[in-house]
Amino acid sequence: DQQVKQNSPSLSVQEGRISILNCDYTNSMFDYFLWYKKYPAEGPTFLISISSIKDKNEDGRFTVFLNKSAKHLSLHIVPSQPGDSAVYFCAASLTPGGAGGTSYGKLTFGQGTILTVHP
Amino acid sequence: ETGVTQTPRHLVMGMTNKKSLKCEQHLGHNAMYWYKQSAKKPLELMFVYSLEERVENNSVPSRFSPECPNSSHLFLHLHTLQPEDSALYLCASSQDPSSYEQYFGPGTRLTVT
Repeated sequence: DQQVKQNSPSLSVQEGRISILNCDYTNSMFDYFLWYKKYPAEGPTFLISISSIKDKNEDGRFTVFLNKSAKHLSLHIVPSQPGDSAVYFCAASLTPGGAGGTSYGKLTFGQGTILTVHP
Repeated sequence: ETGVTQTPRHLVMGMTNKKSLKCEQHLGHNAMYWYKQSAKKPLELMFVYSLEERVENNSVPSRFSPECPNSSHLFLHLHTLQPEDSALYLCASSQDPSSYEQYFGPGTRLTVT
């Protein structure tokens, strides 16, 4: 059973427009969420994160929104640039030592969404 | 070298071979991880090490054997693998095991023939 899902395998956007990447989760115990970006032949790199006590976190062109009641997470990129073309993974985590039962920050990843930004 | 490095980047091995994947982190972190990414599947956590001690074995078959000789190095020893083990194997590190942010290496693309 996949606890973190990215239902759109791919997204194509024109340069300068907004990119919206979506992520849904099923485990209401998740309390920290992250987005990673991955270029071909490279490992995923951390992009932005949000704690479950917030509903929005912004970092430059990137904003992550969290809707806990809907168990939904989204990443907005404005304006989109061709260099943003990559695979984007969302990930969710439980507080170490909490009810999740692990002593470390275990990340559960979605399948990824391929973003293509056209010039 | 900076960040997290992995060698080799590509590996083709037969089912009877024994090989090892190597990971090295230059970030001064205390926790290291092995992940597996199969085609069209999410990253799956395999092993977690904290200060050279294994803290998680995520139901991984014994044909995968991790080794962490020190906090900067992590190995994954492979023997008698199956074709379905073909995947991208990613190493990651974090400041400590409770840190949410993990830093990934570029991965080893493994093909088992």
